[in-house]
Amino acid sequence: NAGVTQTPKFQVLKTGQSMTLQCAQDMNHEYMSWYRQDPGMGLRLIHYSVGAGITDQGEVPNGYNVSRSTTEDFPLRLLSAAPSQTSVYFCATLWQRKLFFGSGTQLSVL
Amino acid sequence: AQRVTQPEKLLSVFKGAPVELKCNYSYSGSPELFWYVQYSRQRLQLLLRHISRESIKGFTADLNKGETSFHLKKPFAQEEDSAMYYCALKGSSNTGKLIFGQGTTLQVKP
Repeated sequence: NAGVTQTPKFQVLKTGQSMTLQCAQDMNHEYMSWYRQDPGMGLRLIHYSVGAGITDQGEVPNGYNVSRSTTEDFPLRLLSAAPSQTSVYFCATLWQRKLFFGSGTQLSVL
Repeated sequence: AQRVTQPEKLLSVFKGAPVELKCNYSYSGSPELFWYVQYSRQRLQLLLRHISRESIKGFTADLNKGETSFHLKKPFAQEEDSAMYYCALKGSSNTGKLIFGQGTTLQVKP
């Protein structure tokens, strides 16, 4: 099992550009989530999903969209990137009260 | 409001010294608390959770409801313990959402 796979690992965007961070899991976990990691701020929940077709906002959802058409995939969309979205993004699934994280996407918005 | 506070950004100790990473939480109900660890170039992973009352890699953490704390301790630090440590709180909802602290970098010097 690959677990939780995130692509790309690194990305540089210009302000105003859009992009999608991909997250896929092969563990058939219902719960998936996106966090951003910033120095001094810890990890903050952006969006989460408790199953296919169901998404909800976390702590810092503004500027991000998500969808969950299948159990396996949970993409995170930046509609119009801003420098404040420069961060490391982690996708995670939950099973038996334990979070399984992807390896992260390092995003820089210039 | 639910909140997790890790007061130290950086904790630097010598090999063999005792380690205590502080974590305080704010939550009105019965919390579930966790410690996650991120070693260099590795994914975030669960270290331990209070409901299991386990000891992982020599680390223990006791939930103190009176002081609303969940400090992580190890009697003798090893160089391989150097990592970023996050304390996390799960509230009573069934959504699986975790609130993370700001993180503490542990540096164990030889």
